[in-house]
Amino acid sequence: DTAVSQTPKYLVTQMGNDKSIKCEQNLGHDTMYWYKQDSKKFLKIMFSYNNKELIINETVPNRFSPKSPDKAHLNLHINSLELGDSAVYFCASNQGWTGELFFGEGSRLTVL
Amino acid sequence: GENVEQHPSTLSVQEGDSAVIKCTYSDSASNYFPWYKQELGKRPQLIIDIRSNVGEKKDQRIAVTLNKTAKHFSLHITETQPEDSAVYFCAASITGNTPLVFGKGTRLSVIA
Repeated sequence: DTAVSQTPKYLVTQMGNDKSIKCEQNLGHDTMYWYKQDSKKFLKIMFSYNNKELIINETVPNRFSPKSPDKAHLNLHINSLELGDSAVYFCASNQGWTGELFFGEGSRLTVL
Repeated sequence: GENVEQHPSTLSVQEGDSAVIKCTYSDSASNYFPWYKQELGKRPQLIIDIRSNVGEKKDQRIAVTLNKTAKHFSLHITETQPEDSAVYFCAASITGNTPLVFGKGTRLSVIA
Protein backbone atom coordinates (compact mmCIF):
# COMPACT_ATOMS: atom_id res chain seq x y z
CA ASP A 1 0.00 0.00 0.00
CA THR A 2 1.36 3.39 -0.99
CA ALA A 3 1.34 5.73 2.01
CA VAL A 4 1.32 9.06 0.13
CA SER A 5 0.35 8.96 -3.52
CA GLN A 6 0.36 11.77 -6.07
CA THR A 7 -0.99 11.97 -9.58
CA PRO A 8 0.11 12.62 -12.19
CA LYS A 9 3.79 11.76 -11.92
CA TYR A 10 4.67 13.82 -14.99
CA LEU A 11 3.04 16.91 -16.45
CA VAL A 12 4.18 18.69 -19.60
CA THR A 13 2.19 21.74 -20.57
CA GLN A 14 2.32 25.10 -22.30
CA MET A 15 2.68 28.49 -20.61
CA GLY A 16 -0.62 29.99 -19.66
CA ASN A 17 -2.40 26.68 -19.12
CA ASP A 18 -4.02 25.53 -15.86
CA LYS A 19 -3.12 22.21 -14.24
CA SER A 20 -3.88 20.23 -11.10
CA ILE A 21 -1.97 17.71 -9.02
CA LYS A 22 -3.77 15.37 -6.65
CA CYS A 23 -2.47 13.89 -3.41
CA GLU A 24 -3.87 11.27 -1.08
CA GLN A 25 -2.47 9.74 2.10
CA ASN A 26 -3.68 6.60 3.85
CA LEU A 27 -1.64 7.04 7.02
CA GLY A 28 -4.38 8.70 9.04
CA HIS A 29 -2.30 11.86 9.38
CA ASP A 30 -3.98 15.18 10.06
CA THR A 31 -1.36 17.44 8.48
CA MET A 32 -0.48 17.62 4.80
CA TYR A 33 1.94 19.77 2.84
CA TRP A 34 3.04 20.81 -0.59
CA TYR A 35 6.77 21.28 -1.15
CA LYS A 36 8.42 22.58 -4.32
CA GLN A 37 11.81 21.23 -5.38
CA ASP A 38 13.52 23.28 -8.06
CA SER A 39 16.35 22.30 -10.38
CA LYS A 40 18.92 23.03 -7.66
CA LYS A 41 17.15 20.50 -5.42
CA PHE A 42 16.00 23.09 -2.85
CA LEU A 43 12.98 21.79 -0.94
CA LYS A 44 10.73 24.71 -0.11
CA ILE A 45 7.45 24.51 1.73
CA MET A 46 4.50 26.07 -0.09
CA PHE A 47 1.45 25.16 1.98
CA SER A 48 0.54 23.30 5.13
CA TYR A 49 -2.94 22.05 5.98
CA ASN A 50 -4.05 20.72 9.34
CA ASN A 51 -7.43 18.96 9.46
CA LYS A 52 -8.44 20.57 6.16
CA GLU A 53 -7.55 24.06 7.41
CA LEU A 54 -4.84 26.12 5.73
CA ILE A 55 -2.20 26.83 8.34
CA ILE A 56 0.76 28.02 6.32
CA ASN A 57 0.89 29.77 3.02
CA GLU A 58 4.44 30.78 2.25
CA THR A 59 5.16 33.50 -0.28
CA VAL A 60 3.56 31.63 -3.12
CA PRO A 61 1.82 33.44 -5.99
CA ASN A 62 -1.95 33.33 -5.76
CA ARG A 63 -1.96 31.42 -9.05
CA PHE A 64 -1.39 28.41 -6.76
CA SER A 65 -4.52 27.32 -4.96
CA PRO A 66 -4.51 24.29 -2.66
CA LYS A 67 -7.72 22.51 -1.76
CA SER A 68 -8.30 19.93 0.94
CA PRO A 69 -11.67 18.20 0.58
CA ASP A 70 -10.89 16.03 3.62
CA LYS A 71 -7.86 15.41 5.78
CA ALA A 72 -6.66 12.54 3.59
CA HIS A 73 -6.52 14.62 0.41
CA LEU A 74 -4.67 17.77 -0.58
CA ASN A 75 -4.81 18.92 -4.18
CA LEU A 76 -2.86 21.70 -5.86
CA HIS A 77 -4.28 23.74 -8.71
CA ILE A 78 -2.05 26.09 -10.67
CA ASN A 79 -3.44 28.78 -12.98
CA SER A 80 -1.69 30.59 -15.81
CA LEU A 81 1.43 28.46 -15.67
CA GLU A 82 4.80 30.20 -16.10
CA LEU A 83 8.21 28.84 -17.09
CA GLY A 84 9.45 29.33 -13.51
CA ASP A 85 6.79 26.93 -12.23
CA SER A 86 8.75 24.03 -13.73
CA ALA A 87 9.81 21.90 -10.76
CA VAL A 88 9.04 18.72 -8.89
CA TYR A 89 6.13 19.16 -6.50
CA PHE A 90 6.06 16.87 -3.46
CA CYS A 91 3.07 16.21 -1.31
CA ALA A 92 3.85 15.10 2.25
CA SER A 93 2.09 14.31 5.49
CA ASN A 94 2.69 13.78 9.18
CA GLN A 95 0.73 13.96 12.41
CA GLY A 96 0.33 17.44 13.81
CA TRP A 97 3.71 18.77 12.68
CA THR A 98 5.29 15.98 14.64
CA GLY A 99 7.62 13.23 13.65
CA GLU A 100 8.56 11.72 10.33
CA LEU A 101 7.40 13.47 7.21
CA PHE A 102 6.22 11.02 4.56
CA PHE A 103 6.63 12.21 1.00
CA GLY A 104 4.79 11.23 -2.13
CA GLU A 105 6.76 10.22 -5.23
CA GLY A 106 6.66 13.74 -6.61
CA SER A 107 5.04 15.28 -9.69
CA ARG A 108 7.45 16.66 -12.25
CA LEU A 109 5.92 19.70 -13.93
CA THR A 110 7.51 21.01 -17.12
CA VAL A 111 6.20 24.27 -18.55
CA LEU A 112 7.18 24.94 -22.17
CA GLY B 1 11.04 32.10 11.15
CA GLU B 2 13.53 29.28 11.17
CA ASN B 3 16.49 29.34 8.80
CA VAL B 4 18.63 26.26 8.21
CA GLU B 5 22.05 26.49 6.59
CA GLN B 6 23.72 23.33 5.27
CA HIS B 7 27.33 22.71 4.20
CA PRO B 8 28.91 21.57 2.01
CA SER B 9 26.65 21.67 -1.02
CA THR B 10 28.64 18.87 -2.68
CA LEU B 11 30.89 16.23 -1.16
CA SER B 12 32.94 13.50 -2.81
CA VAL B 13 34.54 10.74 -0.79
CA GLN B 14 36.30 7.49 -1.56
CA GLU B 15 34.44 4.32 -0.74
CA GLY B 16 35.19 3.31 2.84
CA ASP B 17 35.95 6.86 4.00
CA SER B 18 33.73 8.90 6.32
CA ALA B 19 31.46 11.76 5.29
CA VAL B 20 30.32 14.64 7.48
CA ILE B 21 27.56 17.12 6.64
CA LYS B 22 26.92 20.12 8.89
CA CYS B 23 23.86 22.27 9.51
CA THR B 24 23.12 25.33 11.59
CA TYR B 25 19.71 26.63 12.61
CA SER B 26 18.54 30.02 13.76
CA ASP B 27 15.58 29.44 16.08
CA SER B 28 16.73 28.35 19.54
CA ALA B 29 13.23 26.97 20.20
CA SER B 30 13.65 24.28 17.51
CA ASN B 31 13.74 20.85 19.10
CA TYR B 32 13.49 18.31 16.29
CA PHE B 33 16.26 17.69 13.74
CA PRO B 34 15.77 15.00 11.09
CA TRP B 35 17.94 14.02 8.15
CA TYR B 36 16.47 12.92 4.84
CA LYS B 37 18.12 11.06 1.98
CA GLN B 38 16.95 11.56 -1.58
CA GLU B 39 18.24 9.17 -4.22
CA LEU B 40 18.15 10.24 -7.84
CA GLY B 41 14.57 10.48 -9.08
CA LYS B 42 13.11 9.33 -5.79
CA ARG B 43 11.31 10.93 -2.86
CA PRO B 44 13.15 12.17 0.26
CA GLN B 45 13.11 9.57 3.04
CA LEU B 46 13.97 9.89 6.70
CA ILE B 47 17.21 8.18 7.67
CA ILE B 48 17.75 9.43 11.22
CA ASP B 49 16.48 12.12 13.55
CA ILE B 50 17.42 13.63 16.89
CA ARG B 51 15.53 15.59 19.49
CA SER B 52 16.93 18.40 21.57
CA ASN B 53 17.13 16.38 24.77
CA VAL B 54 19.77 14.11 23.20
CA GLY B 55 23.31 14.99 22.12
CA GLU B 56 24.05 12.07 19.83
CA LYS B 57 22.25 9.21 18.15
CA LYS B 58 23.61 6.29 16.13
CA ASP B 59 22.09 3.82 13.74
CA GLN B 60 24.64 1.42 12.28
CA ARG B 61 26.93 3.49 10.01
CA ILE B 62 24.98 6.72 10.50
CA ALA B 63 25.21 9.07 13.46
CA VAL B 64 23.87 12.52 14.20
CA THR B 65 25.25 14.95 16.77
CA LEU B 66 23.54 18.04 18.16
CA ASN B 67 25.08 21.08 19.85
CA LYS B 68 22.19 23.16 21.17
CA THR B 69 24.38 25.93 22.50
CA ALA B 70 25.98 26.52 19.12
CA LYS B 71 22.76 25.67 17.27
CA HIS B 72 24.35 23.19 14.94
CA PHE B 73 23.93 19.52 14.15
CA SER B 74 25.84 17.13 11.94
CA LEU B 75 25.38 13.88 10.06
CA HIS B 76 28.24 11.39 10.09
CA ILE B 77 28.37 8.44 7.72
CA THR B 78 31.18 5.94 8.29
CA GLU B 79 32.51 3.28 5.90
CA THR B 80 30.72 4.90 2.98
CA GLN B 81 29.42 2.73 0.18
CA PRO B 82 28.37 3.61 -3.39
CA GLU B 83 24.71 3.24 -2.39
CA ASP B 84 25.19 6.14 0.04
CA SER B 85 25.45 8.43 -2.99
CA ALA B 86 22.42 10.75 -2.83
CA VAL B 87 21.31 14.23 -1.81
CA TYR B 88 21.05 14.62 1.97
CA PHE B 89 18.84 17.22 3.61
CA CYS B 90 18.89 18.41 7.19
CA ALA B 91 15.81 20.04 8.68
CA ALA B 92 14.61 21.67 11.87
CA SER B 93 11.29 22.37 13.52
CA ILE B 94 9.51 22.99 16.79
CA THR B 95 7.64 19.75 17.32
CA GLY B 96 3.90 20.23 17.13
CA ASN B 97 4.23 23.92 16.35
CA THR B 98 5.99 24.50 13.07
CA PRO B 99 6.58 22.56 9.86
CA LEU B 100 10.01 21.30 8.91
CA VAL B 101 12.35 23.81 7.35
CA PHE B 102 14.96 22.14 5.17
CA GLY B 103 18.56 23.00 4.42
CA LYS B 104 19.54 23.33 0.78
CA GLY B 105 20.90 19.82 0.54
CA THR B 106 24.30 18.15 0.12
CA ARG B 107 25.03 16.01 -2.91
CA LEU B 108 27.22 13.15 -1.67
CA SER B 109 29.14 11.10 -4.21
CA VAL B 110 30.90 7.95 -3.04
CA ILE B 111 33.58 6.93 -5.49
CA ALA B 112 34.30 3.22 -5.77
